[in-house]
Amino acid sequence: EVQLVESGGGLVQPGGSLRLSCSASGFTFSSYAMHWVRQAPGKGLEHVSGISSNGGSTNYADSVKGRFTISRDNSKNTLYLQMSSLRAEDTAVYYCVKESSGWYGWFDPWGQGTLVTVSS
Amino acid sequence: QSVLTQPPSVSAAPGQKVTISCSGSSSNIGNNYVSWYQQLPGTAPKLLIYENNKRPSGIPDRFSGSKSGTSATLGITGLQTGDEADYYCGTWDSGLSAVLWVFGGGTKLTVL
Repeated sequence: EVQLVESGGGLVQPGGSLRLSCSASGFTFSSYAMHWVRQAPGKGLEHVSGISSNGGSTNYADSVKGRFTISRDNSKNTLYLQMSSLRAEDTAVYYCVKESSGWYGWFDPWGQGTLVTVSS
Repeated sequence: QSVLTQPPSVSAAPGQKVTISCSGSSSNIGNNYVSWYQQLPGTAPKLLIYENNKRPSGIPDRFSGSKSGTSATLGITGLQTGDEADYYCGTWDSGLSAVLWVFGGGTKLTVL
């Protein structure tokens, strides 16, 4: 069974940093692109960032470009999202998502999410 | 403002049929597959439809998807109270500087 377990969320002050992790199991992690998708309280889904299976290609939403960095460690089956210069509008549940293929596929499954709250 | 446009809400009675539209452009829906996601209250989203009209194993055939030009549609027949959820369409968008994933704004389904 494919499992994605996020961790690292919490309360952080504006301007601060946080690193999210996503531990993957049940599939060959190094063969699939991975993504982070967030959902602000009461709002819709927003794609934050994606990374190709070997980590060689990444993409970012304009809202986080230059502040967030996605990475992966295929030897540890783990996806990361390093977030810096955090703003109140970054407050959201962050979901780790497996893509169906190496790129340009669909998103399945989703992790349970980890809540990031940016507030003083 | 989302790149893909969905109605904020739809409603229908149990047993009835409902459709949810997702409108885009040639840079996204017009040239890429569309997938649909169901988010039940308090849970993570779940894949419902992929490659415009395919259902993952375990998804009942009450759910269907279609695409025409730059629009896609999710259909749900035989509505049940358990179908009350938020539904999102998504696809790739070939923008000027990069290819990015985009979601619709979401549609809240109420089963009256």
